[in-house]
Amino acid sequence: DIQMTQSPSSLSASVGDRVTITCRASQSITIYLNWYQQKPGKAPKLLIYAASSLQSGVPSRFSGSGSGTDFTLTISSLQPEDFATYYCQQSYSSPRTFGQGTKVEIK
Amino acid sequence: EVQLVESGGGLVQPGGSLRLSCAASGFTFSSYEMNWVRQAPGKGLEWVSYISSSGSTIYYADSVKGRFTISRDNAKNSLYLQMNSLRAEDTAVYYCARAGGGWYNFDYWGQGTLVTVSS
Repeated sequence: DIQMTQSPSSLSASVGDRVTITCRASQSITIYLNWYQQKPGKAPKLLIYAASSLQSGVPSRFSGSGSGTDFTLTISSLQPEDFATYYCQQSYSSPRTFGQGTKVEIK
Repeated sequence: EVQLVESGGGLVQPGGSLRLSCAASGFTFSSYEMNWVRQAPGKGLEWVSYISSSGSTIYYADSVKGRFTISRDNAKNSLYLQMNSLRAEDTAVYYCARAGGGWYNFDYWGQGTLVTVSS
């Protein structure tokens, strides 16, 4: 199985900050990498697919990059509604494993 | 509007069984692959099972293989998860999720249904 490792596990940031979350796959997944946002008590929401494609309706302050084994999710200017937990997921092969999550908290 | 609505969760004793359902609407259900994903209390997301659009291809996580069975009824626009021999570690919110497009991302999710395995 492909292991997905996110870093950091949590971070504290202020409104307006630029935030970067990284995700590393245990083997190459080309660009089969997705990012999800989850708020407490809610279902996850797809933000980015195919490493860098923005899902419809997602604000442009979210962006993704990377290929192979190393990927990044960037929030260019953190907004109050962005405080949440973010998960990466590989969809290259089954099982479609998730990273352990990164909790973005208010500083 | 795409909607996925799970039902069937509840409290069950260890060793018991439960059947989850996911009712789909707002899209052509028979054209999409579907998944079950779970989240234990305070923990991260764990993919559980996958079924192809026709039902001919199925995958399971090792943690549920031999105990859980995924199925679908395209005529009823419904996805199912039969869970047998339940364990305490199966306690989680269970989500159904649609696999959209050729990148196999999960583009729509249900609101989840809570399964609690406890005596």
